[in-house]
Amino acid sequence: KAGVTQTPRYLIKTRGQQVTLSCSPISGHRSVSWYQQTPGQGLQFLFEYFSETQRNKGNFPGRFSGRQFSNSRSEMNVSTLELGDSALYLCASSRRLAGANLFYNEQFFGPGTRLTVL
Amino acid sequence: SQQGEEDPQALSIQEGENATMNCSYKTSINNLQWYRQNSGRGLVHLILIRSNEREKHSGRLRVTLDTSKKSSSLLITASRAADTASYFCATDAGYGGSQGNLIFGKGTKLSVKP
Repeated sequence: KAGVTQTPRYLIKTRGQQVTLSCSPISGHRSVSWYQQTPGQGLQFLFEYFSETQRNKGNFPGRFSGRQFSNSRSEMNVSTLELGDSALYLCASSRRLAGANLFYNEQFFGPGTRLTVL
Repeated sequence: SQQGEEDPQALSIQEGENATMNCSYKTSINNLQWYRQNSGRGLVHLILIRSNEREKHSGRLRVTLDTSKKSSSLLITASRAADTASYFCATDAGYGGSQGNLIFGKGTKLSVKP
């Protein structure tokens, strides 16, 4: 079974630009979560999508947004980039059955997208 | 805010020795997961332990969970140079209905010298 894939792997942008990152979950996984990892703040939750709906959102400004498609693939977008947005962006997928609050499912992570904002 | 806090922050051992990392968290949880990350790459899932479990094994890994002390430990036995990585514990937020939101500690950086 193929793992979680993320594209692109590396990205360099300048302040003020916007960026879109893509994540394809493991086949059969319907939940996709996004995380930001920086040396200073560590790993922080951005948002989770399930069945094309945002289910949870972390404490990030509105410049960070995302969406999920019917095939469970997800994208996240960051507008008006700031230097502090430089980070490793990780997505994770997990099985999540419709209508069930499952507390025991593992999240499997992709290799990440390394975003550098100049 | 950080839920889990790993201890120690850094650990250096020789190949063949055992490595123990600890994690403490603040609120009640449904489960706790351990991950490994090699230098700036993605996270590799190691093991998940449920709140009603006390110990779990996977190969050379042994995880314990003490919900009364809100702590967990990860033991890697007979360590190898390839185990060199950062190790993170992650908990769910603990409130009902949310399983997509993992809260991570800052990690333990393990260095295994050949």
